[in-house]
Amino acid sequence: AQTVTQSQPEMSVQEAETVTLSCTYDTSESDYYLFWYKQPPSRQMILVIRQEAYKQQNATENRFSVNFQKAAKSFSLKISDSQLGDAAMYFCASGTYKYIFGTGTRLKVLA
Amino acid sequence: KAGVTQTPRYLIKTRGQQVTLSCSPISGHRSVSWYQQTPGQGLQFLFEYFSETQRNKGNFPGRFSGRQFSNSRSEMNVSTLELGDSALYLCASSSPVDKQDPNEQFFGPGTRLTVL
Repeated sequence: AQTVTQSQPEMSVQEAETVTLSCTYDTSESDYYLFWYKQPPSRQMILVIRQEAYKQQNATENRFSVNFQKAAKSFSLKISDSQLGDAAMYFCASGTYKYIFGTGTRLKVLA
Repeated sequence: KAGVTQTPRYLIKTRGQQVTLSCSPISGHRSVSWYQQTPGQGLQFLFEYFSETQRNKGNFPGRFSGRQFSNSRSEMNVSTLELGDSALYLCASSSPVDKQDPNEQFFGPGTRLTVL
């Protein structure tokens, strides 16, 4: 069975600092994708970053980057220069046409 | 381009009733997926439709069903509602071309269903 595990229910970071959210996964698929989604209080799911499993290069989107360790099945999200607007639930997901989501990490940004 | 829309945004039903939720994908997107989000179980995959065919299915009872129309709009139906069906139901659309396509799913705002 495919699983995605986020072991940090909640994290806090000081504004302008860097924080890393952890995610591990297990899948039997050979081709798959990994995603980080952000869900603010509005409940709208917003894609933060995506990684194709066949690509070795870690994805980067502005202040967001991932550390993808395929052999370890690890996919962590690093947020640099944290902003108040980054406060939200962050979900890690794995899959192709069917996403398996982790339980989420609530990120608090302290002013 | 308009995003994914879901109607209604809020619903209140009583146990035993049935409900139909609607999802209109982004124009041109042919794949529509449905997810249930609850505080206890998190986000769980219900099913995915592509070109009017159910292509993937999660582990939900048969009370949960769906369909997709020729214009890619999708409906989800839940019959004989139970208290535990209270949740946020999210719809997502995507436009996969092939296996190399990142297949990013774009989510709608969700329908909040409350079962009393």
